[in-house]
Amino acid sequence: DIQMTQSPSTLSASVGDRVTITCRASQSISSWLAWYQQKPGKAPKVLIYKASNLEHGVPSRFSGSGSGTEFTLTISSLQPDDFATYYCQQYNTYWTFGQGTKVEIK
Amino acid sequence: QVLLVESGGGVVQPGRSLRLSCAASGFTFSNFSIHWVRQAPGKGLEWVAVMSYDGSTKYYADSVKGRFTISRDTSKNSLYLRMNSLRAEDTAVYYCARDPNAGTYGYDYFDYWGQGTLVTVSS
Repeated sequence: DIQMTQSPSTLSASVGDRVTITCRASQSISSWLAWYQQKPGKAPKVLIYKASNLEHGVPSRFSGSGSGTEFTLTISSLQPDDFATYYCQQYNTYWTFGQGTKVEIK
Repeated sequence: QVLLVESGGGVVQPGRSLRLSCAASGFTFSNFSIHWVRQAPGKGLEWVAVMSYDGSTKYYADSVKGRFTISRDTSKNSLYLRMNSLRAEDTAVYYCARDPNAGTYGYDYFDYWGQGTLVTVSS
């Protein structure tokens, strides 16, 4: 099974900050990685697929990079609507999520 | 617009069964693979099961294999999850989620999700 590890688990930041979340796979997954945003009581929403492709309608302040085993999600300028929990997901072999990164207000 | 609506959750005793439903609309249901994903209270996301767009392929997570069964009724545009021998650790919000590619089956991300239905396993 492919394990996904996100860091940090919690991140405190202010509006306007540049934020980076890291996701590591236990083996190579090429670029088969997605990022999701989830707010309390809501379903996850896809932001990025295939490591760096922005889903339609997602603001351009979100970007993704990486391949193989190491990936990053970057929010270039944190907005009030961005305080949420973020998950990475591999879909190279079956489907596995990271444990999540909560972005909270500093 | 694409809509997935889950139902059937509730409180059930350990060892009992429950069937969840996922009603789809806004797209051609029989052209897309659909997944079940769950989230225990305060925890992360766990993939549970998938049925391919043509119904020919089903996969399950090891944690539910042999206890859960995924099925569908294309005449009702609905996906189901029959959950038997329920355990306390099956307590979670269960989401259905769609694969983005029509007419193909493979590993991919999830582009649309339902709002979820809560299953609580407790005596």
